[in-house]
Amino acid sequence: LAKTTQPISMDSYEGQEVNITCSHNNIATNDYITWYQQFPSQGPRFIIQGYKTKVTNEVASLFIPADRKSSTLSLPRVSLSDTAVYYCLVGGSTLGRLYFGRGTQLTVWP
Amino acid sequence: KAGVTQTPRYLIKTRGQQVTLSCSPISGHRSVSWYQQTPGQGLQFLFEYFSETQRNKGNFPGRFSGRQFSNSRSEMNVSTLELGDSALYLCASSLAGALDVDYGYTFGSGTRLTVV
Repeated sequence: LAKTTQPISMDSYEGQEVNITCSHNNIATNDYITWYQQFPSQGPRFIIQGYKTKVTNEVASLFIPADRKSSTLSLPRVSLSDTAVYYCLVGGSTLGRLYFGRGTQLTVWP
Repeated sequence: KAGVTQTPRYLIKTRGQQVTLSCSPISGHRSVSWYQQTPGQGLQFLFEYFSETQRNKGNFPGRFSGRQFSNSRSEMNVSTLELGDSALYLCASSLAGALDVDYGYTFGSGTRLTVV
Protein backbone atom coordinates (compact mmCIF):
# COMPACT_ATOMS: atom_id res chain seq x y z
CA LEU A 1 0.00 0.00 0.00
CA ALA A 2 1.40 3.38 -1.00
CA LYS A 3 2.48 5.51 1.95
CA THR A 4 1.61 9.18 1.79
CA THR A 5 3.46 12.18 3.17
CA GLN A 6 1.83 15.56 3.56
CA PRO A 7 2.59 18.63 5.68
CA ILE A 8 1.27 18.51 9.22
CA SER A 9 -0.11 22.01 9.08
CA MET A 10 -0.57 25.03 6.82
CA ASP A 11 -1.81 28.55 7.35
CA SER A 12 -3.50 30.85 4.89
CA TYR A 13 -5.62 33.97 4.75
CA GLU A 14 -9.10 34.40 3.41
CA GLY A 15 -9.26 34.85 -0.34
CA GLN A 16 -5.93 33.18 -1.05
CA GLU A 17 -5.39 30.02 -3.06
CA VAL A 18 -4.09 27.09 -1.01
CA ASN A 19 -2.09 24.22 -2.44
CA ILE A 20 -1.50 21.12 -0.33
CA THR A 21 0.98 18.65 -1.76
CA CYS A 22 1.02 14.95 -0.98
CA SER A 23 3.94 12.66 -1.79
CA HIS A 24 3.28 9.02 -2.68
CA ASN A 25 6.44 7.62 -4.22
CA ASN A 26 5.26 4.01 -4.18
CA ILE A 27 1.93 4.54 -5.89
CA ALA A 28 0.81 1.50 -7.87
CA THR A 29 -0.36 1.54 -11.44
CA ASN A 30 -4.00 1.00 -10.52
CA ASP A 31 -4.10 3.39 -7.56
CA TYR A 32 -6.37 6.41 -7.52
CA ILE A 33 -5.66 9.48 -5.40
CA THR A 34 -8.46 10.70 -3.16
CA TRP A 35 -8.72 13.70 -0.86
CA TYR A 36 -11.01 13.98 2.14
CA GLN A 37 -11.82 16.98 4.34
CA GLN A 38 -12.70 16.71 8.01
CA PHE A 39 -14.11 19.31 10.36
CA PRO A 40 -13.89 18.84 14.14
CA SER A 41 -16.32 16.26 15.50
CA GLN A 42 -17.51 15.29 12.04
CA GLY A 43 -16.70 12.47 9.69
CA PRO A 44 -14.34 12.93 6.74
CA ARG A 45 -16.00 14.22 3.59
CA PHE A 46 -14.95 13.25 0.07
CA ILE A 47 -13.54 16.23 -1.85
CA ILE A 48 -12.00 14.99 -5.06
CA GLN A 49 -10.48 11.96 -6.73
CA GLY A 50 -8.17 11.56 -9.70
CA TYR A 51 -5.87 9.22 -11.55
CA LYS A 52 -3.68 11.47 -13.65
CA THR A 53 -3.35 15.03 -15.01
CA LYS A 54 -5.94 17.42 -13.64
CA VAL A 55 -9.38 17.02 -12.15
CA THR A 56 -11.61 19.92 -11.18
CA ASN A 57 -14.95 20.07 -9.43
CA GLU A 58 -16.96 22.82 -7.78
CA VAL A 59 -14.87 22.63 -4.62
CA ALA A 60 -11.27 21.99 -5.61
CA SER A 61 -8.76 20.99 -8.25
CA LEU A 62 -6.37 18.08 -8.14
CA PHE A 63 -3.11 18.20 -10.05
CA ILE A 64 -1.22 14.97 -10.69
CA PRO A 65 2.09 15.02 -12.57
CA ALA A 66 2.96 12.42 -15.17
CA ASP A 67 5.00 10.26 -12.78
CA ARG A 68 2.10 10.29 -10.26
CA LYS A 69 4.53 10.29 -7.34
CA SER A 70 2.84 13.33 -5.86
CA SER A 71 -0.42 15.21 -6.09
CA THR A 72 -1.54 18.72 -5.20
CA LEU A 73 -4.93 19.68 -3.87
CA SER A 74 -5.75 23.24 -4.81
CA LEU A 75 -8.42 25.22 -2.96
CA PRO A 76 -9.23 28.52 -4.70
CA ARG A 77 -10.01 31.59 -2.63
CA VAL A 78 -10.30 29.92 0.75
CA SER A 79 -12.62 31.17 3.46
CA LEU A 80 -12.69 30.69 7.22
CA SER A 81 -14.99 27.70 6.72
CA ASP A 82 -12.23 25.84 4.87
CA THR A 83 -10.34 25.47 8.14
CA ALA A 84 -10.18 21.69 8.49
CA VAL A 85 -7.93 18.66 8.27
CA TYR A 86 -7.25 17.43 4.74
CA TYR A 87 -6.32 13.81 4.10
CA CYS A 88 -4.61 12.42 1.02
CA LEU A 89 -5.37 8.74 0.35
CA VAL A 90 -3.80 6.57 -2.30
CA GLY A 91 -5.19 3.32 -3.55
CA GLY A 92 -8.61 1.87 -3.32
CA SER A 93 -10.10 0.46 -0.23
CA THR A 94 -9.22 -3.02 0.90
CA LEU A 95 -12.36 -4.80 2.03
CA GLY A 96 -13.88 -1.57 3.21
CA ARG A 97 -10.76 -0.19 4.82
CA LEU A 98 -9.50 3.26 3.90
CA TYR A 99 -5.94 4.11 4.90
CA PHE A 100 -5.78 7.53 6.53
CA GLY A 101 -2.52 9.23 7.42
CA ARG A 102 -2.31 12.13 9.86
CA GLY A 103 -3.56 14.68 7.37
CA THR A 104 -2.82 18.40 7.01
CA GLN A 105 -4.41 20.87 9.39
CA LEU A 106 -5.29 23.93 7.30
CA THR A 107 -6.06 27.08 9.25
CA VAL A 108 -7.52 30.04 7.41
CA TRP A 109 -7.16 33.43 9.10
CA PRO A 110 -9.26 36.53 8.51
CA LYS B 1 -31.05 11.57 -0.10
CA ALA B 2 -30.42 10.90 3.57
CA GLY B 3 -26.80 10.53 4.61
CA VAL B 4 -25.22 8.14 7.05
CA THR B 5 -26.91 8.40 10.43
CA GLN B 6 -25.15 7.58 13.65
CA THR B 7 -26.82 7.43 17.03
CA PRO B 8 -26.40 8.60 19.65
CA ARG B 9 -24.25 11.68 18.92
CA TYR B 10 -22.84 11.84 22.42
CA LEU B 11 -22.49 9.25 25.14
CA ILE B 12 -20.93 9.19 28.60
CA LYS B 13 -20.22 5.84 30.18
CA THR B 14 -18.39 4.57 33.23
CA ARG B 15 -15.38 2.27 33.15
CA GLY B 16 -16.42 -1.36 33.03
CA GLN B 17 -19.75 -0.70 31.35
CA GLN B 18 -20.59 -1.69 27.82
CA VAL B 19 -21.95 0.45 24.99
CA THR B 20 -23.73 -0.08 21.69
CA LEU B 21 -23.49 2.40 18.85
CA SER B 22 -25.72 2.41 15.81
CA CYS B 23 -25.13 3.28 12.17
CA SER B 24 -27.72 3.52 9.40
CA PRO B 25 -26.04 3.63 5.97
CA ILE B 26 -27.22 5.40 2.87
CA SER B 27 -30.08 3.54 1.27
CA GLY B 28 -28.71 0.91 -1.11
CA HIS B 29 -25.25 0.86 0.45
CA ARG B 30 -24.34 -2.61 1.65
CA SER B 31 -20.87 -1.97 3.08
CA VAL B 32 -20.46 -0.39 6.49
CA SER B 33 -17.06 0.33 8.02
CA TRP B 34 -16.28 1.54 11.52
CA TYR B 35 -13.40 3.77 12.62
CA GLN B 36 -12.11 5.06 15.93
CA GLN B 37 -10.60 8.53 15.98
CA THR B 38 -8.47 9.85 18.82
CA PRO B 39 -6.06 12.80 18.94
CA GLY B 40 -3.16 10.48 19.57
CA GLN B 41 -3.81 7.70 17.05
CA GLY B 42 -5.81 9.45 14.36
CA LEU B 43 -8.34 7.46 12.32
CA GLN B 44 -8.04 3.75 12.96
CA PHE B 45 -10.03 1.09 11.16
CA LEU B 46 -12.11 -1.19 13.38
CA PHE B 47 -14.01 -3.50 11.01
CA GLU B 48 -16.14 -3.69 7.91
CA TYR B 49 -19.37 -5.51 7.19
CA PHE B 50 -20.91 -6.40 3.88
CA SER B 51 -24.17 -8.30 3.52
CA GLU B 52 -24.21 -9.16 7.22
CA THR B 53 -20.70 -10.65 7.10
CA GLN B 54 -17.57 -9.22 8.62
CA ARG B 55 -15.06 -9.04 5.79
CA ASN B 56 -12.23 -7.19 7.41
CA LYS B 57 -11.03 -6.40 10.90
CA GLY B 58 -8.51 -3.97 12.28
CA ASN B 59 -6.13 -4.45 15.16
CA PHE B 60 -8.44 -3.96 18.11
CA PRO B 61 -9.10 -6.24 21.09
CA GLY B 62 -12.05 -8.57 21.20
CA ARG B 63 -13.94 -6.12 23.41
CA PHE B 64 -14.81 -4.36 20.18
CA SER B 65 -17.40 -6.19 18.14
CA GLY B 66 -20.01 -5.43 15.57
CA ARG B 67 -22.77 -6.81 13.47
CA GLN B 68 -24.83 -5.92 10.46
CA PHE B 69 -28.50 -6.55 9.93
CA SER B 70 -30.34 -7.57 6.78
CA ASN B 71 -31.31 -3.94 6.12
CA SER B 72 -27.57 -3.04 6.20
CA ARG B 73 -27.84 -1.13 9.47
CA SER B 74 -24.89 -1.86 11.69
CA GLU B 75 -24.15 -1.79 15.38
CA MET B 76 -20.85 -1.65 17.18
CA ASN B 77 -20.42 -2.87 20.73
CA VAL B 78 -17.64 -2.19 23.19
CA SER B 79 -17.63 -4.20 26.39
CA THR B 80 -15.77 -3.55 29.62
CA LEU B 81 -15.07 0.05 28.72
CA GLU B 82 -11.68 1.57 29.50
CA LEU B 83 -10.73 5.22 29.77
CA GLY B 84 -8.72 4.84 26.57
CA ASP B 85 -11.86 3.96 24.63
CA SER B 86 -12.92 7.60 24.77
CA ALA B 87 -13.01 8.65 21.16
CA LEU B 88 -15.07 9.70 18.19
CA TYR B 89 -16.50 6.59 16.56
CA LEU B 90 -17.27 6.98 12.89
CA CYS B 91 -19.03 4.75 10.45
CA ALA B 92 -18.88 4.96 6.69
CA SER B 93 -21.06 3.36 4.07
CA SER B 94 -20.35 2.42 0.48
CA LEU B 95 -21.81 0.50 -2.41
CA ALA B 96 -18.57 -1.49 -2.46
CA GLY B 97 -19.57 -4.83 -3.84
CA ALA B 98 -16.38 -5.92 -5.56
CA LEU B 99 -13.17 -6.22 -3.63
CA ASP B 100 -10.41 -3.62 -3.94
CA VAL B 101 -12.55 -1.21 -5.89
CA ASP B 102 -13.10 2.19 -4.41
CA TYR B 103 -16.71 3.21 -4.88
CA GLY B 104 -16.33 6.12 -2.53
CA TYR B 105 -17.26 6.30 1.10
CA THR B 106 -19.72 8.52 2.94
CA PHE B 107 -19.11 9.07 6.61
CA GLY B 108 -21.55 9.82 9.37
CA SER B 109 -20.98 12.59 11.93
CA GLY B 110 -19.89 10.09 14.53
CA THR B 111 -20.65 9.22 18.12
CA ARG B 112 -18.54 10.96 20.72
CA LEU B 113 -17.96 8.45 23.51
CA THR B 114 -16.54 9.61 26.82
CA VAL B 115 -15.56 7.02 29.39
CA VAL B 116 -15.22 8.30 32.96
